[in-house]
Amino acid sequence: NAGVMQNPRHLVRRRGQEARLRCSPMKGHSHVYWYRQLPEEGLKFMVYLQKENIIDESGMPKERFSAEFPKEGPSILRIQQVVRGDSAAYFCASSPSTPGTGEKLFFGSGTQLSVL
Amino acid sequence: TQLLEQSPQFLSIQEGENLTVYCNSSSVFSSLQWYRQEPGEGPVLLVTVVTGGEVKKLKRLTFQFGDARKDSSLHITAAQPGDTGLYLCAGTSGTYKYIFGTGTRLKVLA
Repeated sequence: NAGVMQNPRHLVRRRGQEARLRCSPMKGHSHVYWYRQLPEEGLKFMVYLQKENIIDESGMPKERFSAEFPKEGPSILRIQQVVRGDSAAYFCASSPSTPGTGEKLFFGSGTQLSVL
Repeated sequence: TQLLEQSPQFLSIQEGENLTVYCNSSSVFSSLQWYRQEPGEGPVLLVTVVTGGEVKKLKRLTFQFGDARKDSSLHITAAQPGDTGLYLCAGTSGTYKYIFGTGTRLKVLA
């Protein structure tokens, strides 16, 4: 039973390019979350999606960032016109249902984005 | 805005020593989780506490949720090099949105 799969593990982009980060949740999980982690910091919530729906994108910058979770295929976090400040580790997590108290989140290994 | 502060930020100890890591907030959480994260990997859940005053044990790790559900601690007995990593607490008020602490980076020297 594969865990949460993220790819690529490492992504290098030049300023102004686009970055696409992919996340395949665990089998049977229909809820996906994206978090960003800067060096020496904790994780910051970005967006919560269910299949074909964005539930909460309050943690995601309104410009240049977008996320989707189509009916078929992985969830995609897209960053347009990247800047150096976008360099960070981006983690995806999934859960089987709407998490309430104590629901377990399963995290992927992350994508390390470096913007030159 | 809910914030979770962890202390200490960094901790370097010798194998066999005991240690306690703290997670504090001015906000009340309905549940709190502790994760361990190793370099280049995602966080892995260690435990979830939901009741004020609750104590949970996981081998040499003891987790406690404060009576008022605003703070938590993680105590490790006889630390081993394999305990090395970043320890994160994360709290929720009952929704999907987990607030993560800033983390405690632990290094256990052999």
